[in-house]
Amino acid sequence: DAKTTQPTSMDCAEGRAANLPCNHSTISGNEYVYWYRQIHSQGPQYIIHGLKNNETNEMASLIITEDRKSSTLILPHATLRDTAVYYCIVRVDSGGSNYKLTFGKGTLLTVNP
Amino acid sequence: GAGVSQSPSNKVTEKGKDVELRCDPISGHTALYWYRQSLGQGLEFLIYFQGNSAPDKSGLPSDRFSAERTGGSVSTLTIQRTQQEDSAVYLCASSLWTGNTEAFFGQGTRLTVV
Repeated sequence: DAKTTQPTSMDCAEGRAANLPCNHSTISGNEYVYWYRQIHSQGPQYIIHGLKNNETNEMASLIITEDRKSSTLILPHATLRDTAVYYCIVRVDSGGSNYKLTFGKGTLLTVNP
Repeated sequence: GAGVSQSPSNKVTEKGKDVELRCDPISGHTALYWYRQSLGQGLEFLIYFQGNSAPDKSGLPSDRFSAERTGGSVSTLTIQRTQQEDSAVYLCASSLWTGNTEAFFGQGTRLTVV
């Protein structure tokens, strides 16, 4: 699976949009971009995933550049409960071989009051 | 239950003892994964199951680690002759299948070897 690069940490003011970048310059055509987050002392939580189109759900939006070499996770109105480590993962969707999510170091997002 | 359940939530054991960690996946999920997270570290993949089969065990740190799954449901991760470096949070996740689906994680078992 392709490697990802994320900033180590970011800060965001409560109520403002949090924009978390991820570089995946070696991504292949059949690799999806997944985002998970891990709140302190909890298991990781799925947020969103996409292939090449932008995606939106009740938690966040995912913007993927046209060349697919980078993406941005957007939390439109960050709250204190969004403080967590956010993981960007690229994952092959080819059936039997994409059995694992490979987590990197992620970005520690701190939402400040 | 509604989510992935792991037990115990905390386990303190003496070095050299065996421990067994349990994972109850979401009903109907055929894929099950075990990860380990040491203090301040990222998630380390250990093993996955598709049904009761574990096609890839290469992530298990040593031969002291083993896992099984029965009835396509409950899975147990066993660590024999525990060492202090085994201390970590052991996380279990399940998904509908191993393809392009989201994985749901449990809260983990915090293992402390003293």
